[in-house]
Amino acid sequence: NAGVTQTPKFQVLKTGQSMTLQCAQDMNHEYMSWYRQDPGMGLRLIHYSVGAGITDQGEVPNGYNVSRSTTEDFPLRLLSAAPSQTSVYFCASRRQGITVEKLFFGSGTQLSVL
Amino acid sequence: AQSVTQLGSHVSVSEGALVLLRCNYSSSVPPYLFWYVQYPNQGLQLLLKYTSAATLVKGINGFEAEFKKSETSFHLTKPSAHMSDAAEYFCAVSNSGGSNYKLTFGKGTLLTVNP
Repeated sequence: NAGVTQTPKFQVLKTGQSMTLQCAQDMNHEYMSWYRQDPGMGLRLIHYSVGAGITDQGEVPNGYNVSRSTTEDFPLRLLSAAPSQTSVYFCASRRQGITVEKLFFGSGTQLSVL
Repeated sequence: AQSVTQLGSHVSVSEGALVLLRCNYSSSVPPYLFWYVQYPNQGLQLLLKYTSAATLVKGINGFEAEFKKSETSFHLTKPSAHMSDAAEYFCAVSNSGGSNYKLTFGKGTLLTVNP
């Protein structure tokens, strides 16, 4: 009964370093997405995917890359980290369907870029 | 374009008092509206959703919300606050349903419950 699993939970990077935030779900959800949460800003959509091999940009995609090679995994890559990317990152997934399905969220990754 | 505005970034109530968290939406088409809750150090969980059926929507943990088109509002209420309700609450909107819906979140309201 894992749901949406994010790793790592905490990460500190230096400016210019690269890293990948991992997200995996075991619910066979077609839709997966990444949000960032900043104080006073709510959650903003970075990238999303509606199935393996299909990705698209959200509201704040700059500085982030994604890929979706399997249904289960949706990693988020920071190629050259910047202090402005200090945030809490959430992965979320849901079923695709004719009804409005709810989003299932992971527990988050807290990233600090120095 | 779609957006939500949550009035009040911080609401404080006493245990047993009414909880009222305000949300107003903007959407060019009939919206789908949601309330999510985030407990400390956790991800968000769905409290309730409005998808154009009944205007009064009941959710988990005794929360409910009423869709008022004339006021473009979707306020969240609970008659009697519990200490366990302390969390951050997010209103969200989508202007389409089905498989293509994307959520736009409000900035959140932190609820504090005092003993």
